[in-house]
Amino acid sequence: QVQLQQWGAGLLKPSETLSLTCAVHGGAFYGYYWSWIRQPPGKGLEWIGEINHLGSTHYNPSLKSRVTLSVDTSNKQVSLKLSPVTAADTAVYYCARTPAADDYWGQGTLVTVSS
Amino acid sequence: QSALTQPPSASGSPGQSVTISCTGTSSDVGGYNYVSWYQQHPGKAPKLIIYEVSKRPSGVPDRFSGSKSGNTASLTVSGLQAEDEADYHCSSYAGSKNFYVFGGGTMVTV
Repeated sequence: QVQLQQWGAGLLKPSETLSLTCAVHGGAFYGYYWSWIRQPPGKGLEWIGEINHLGSTHYNPSLKSRVTLSVDTSNKQVSLKLSPVTAADTAVYYCARTPAADDYWGQGTLVTVSS
Repeated sequence: QSALTQPPSASGSPGQSVTISCTGTSSDVGGYNYVSWYQQHPGKAPKLIIYEVSKRPSGVPDRFSGSKSGNTASLTVSGLQAEDEADYHCSSYAGSKNFYVFGGGTMVTV
C-alpha cells in the first residue's frame, strides 16, 4: 500500500520561500508522475505541477515563474519550492499520484503566508 | 476563477440521484477523454472516484458514474447515501501547455 508523507514549514512571511517535501512509502516510485496540488481555504483545487523519477517536469503556466520541483530518487522523495510567496499562496498543499487508477494523496500541509 | 465551471451546490434526498456538471472548452474537457472527478470530505484529502471520463477505480461503488458530451462532463451519484455528502471536484487534462485544470467544486448535500 502506497503512502505519501509530506512535511514543511507551515507559516511564512511574504517574499519568503515555501518548501515542502513528500516521501513515497511502500510502493513503486519509478514510472509515475508525482503532482503537487493546492487548495486555498474554502476554495477549489489548483494543479501546481508534476515531476517523475527522471526529473521531467510540467508546470502550471500561471505559477511556472515561481515554482521549482525536484526529485531525490535514492530516498523516493519529491520536493516543491515556491518563491516569493504572497498571501494569495495561503493554502493546503498536497502531493499526489493522480489521476491514476491507483490514486494516492499525502495528508496535506496548511501553509499560511502572513506578515 | 477556476478554468472549469461547476455549480456551487447540489442536493438530493437519500435514495435519489444527483448530477453535477463540469463545463470547459474544446481545449480541455471537449478535447480529451481525460476528465476526472474527486470526492472530498471536510478536512480530508480528495479521493479519485472517476477517471478517463467514466472509469471507476477499484473500490468505488457503481453508484458513481461519469459521462461527457461536448465540452461538458457530468458526474451522477445514484441512490444517494448520507456518506455521499461532500465536495466534488472535476478536473481535465488541458494539453501539453496547461496540463491539468480543475473546477471550483460542488458541495453535495444529502
